[in-house]
Amino acid sequence: AQTVTQSQPEMSVQEAETVTLSCTYDTSENNYYLFWYKQPPSRQMILVIRQEAYKQQNATENRFSVNFQKAAKSFSLKISDSQLGDTAMYFCAFMKHVYGGSQGNLIFGKGTKLSVKP
Amino acid sequence: DVKVTQSSRYLVKRTGEKVFLECVQDMDHENMFWYRQDPGLGLRLIYFSYDVKMKEKGDIPEGYSVSREKKERFSLILESASTNQTSMYLCASQEQGWYEQYFGPGTRLTVT
Repeated sequence: AQTVTQSQPEMSVQEAETVTLSCTYDTSENNYYLFWYKQPPSRQMILVIRQEAYKQQNATENRFSVNFQKAAKSFSLKISDSQLGDTAMYFCAFMKHVYGGSQGNLIFGKGTKLSVKP
Repeated sequence: DVKVTQSSRYLVKRTGEKVFLECVQDMDHENMFWYRQDPGLGLRLIYFSYDVKMKEKGDIPEGYSVSREKKERFSLILESASTNQTSMYLCASQEQGWYEQYFGPGTRLTVT
């Protein structure tokens, strides 16, 4: 069975600074996806960034980037130039890649509550 | 844009009541999911469905059932609500063969 661990329940960062959220996972699968989802206060969960396990290059989406270490089973999220709107719960998630049809289900970590302070 | 809507943002029910939580998506997605979100526990999968009238148990199906009579609608049913089912319930949809899940706004259910 796969597990996802986020060891930082809460973090804070000053506006315009950089913060890194940690995530480790455990799996025996070789083909999978990793995700970071963002849940702002009282708003819908949205996908921030994804990483395919077969890709060595780390994914980047504007101010968001990941450090994917497959051997170490580590998948951290770096937020650069933090903005007040980045305040949210961040969930790391794992999905097994299933061939020939539906993708696998998402397995979530417990979340990290990030507060961006002015 | 994909839109996933849930019938209520907040719901208060009494112990023993039958509770229906409705989820509707407008993107013709095959896959739909129900999660439960609790502080310190993250999101846990209750049930999912890969097609109309099909359902599969997730990690915590006890005390819940689901119904999917139409492709766009996925209902979560609490047959006899209990206080330990007080939680935030999130619905999601996903195109078959694609990775991204799209979430609804959630229903915060309180059982008293």
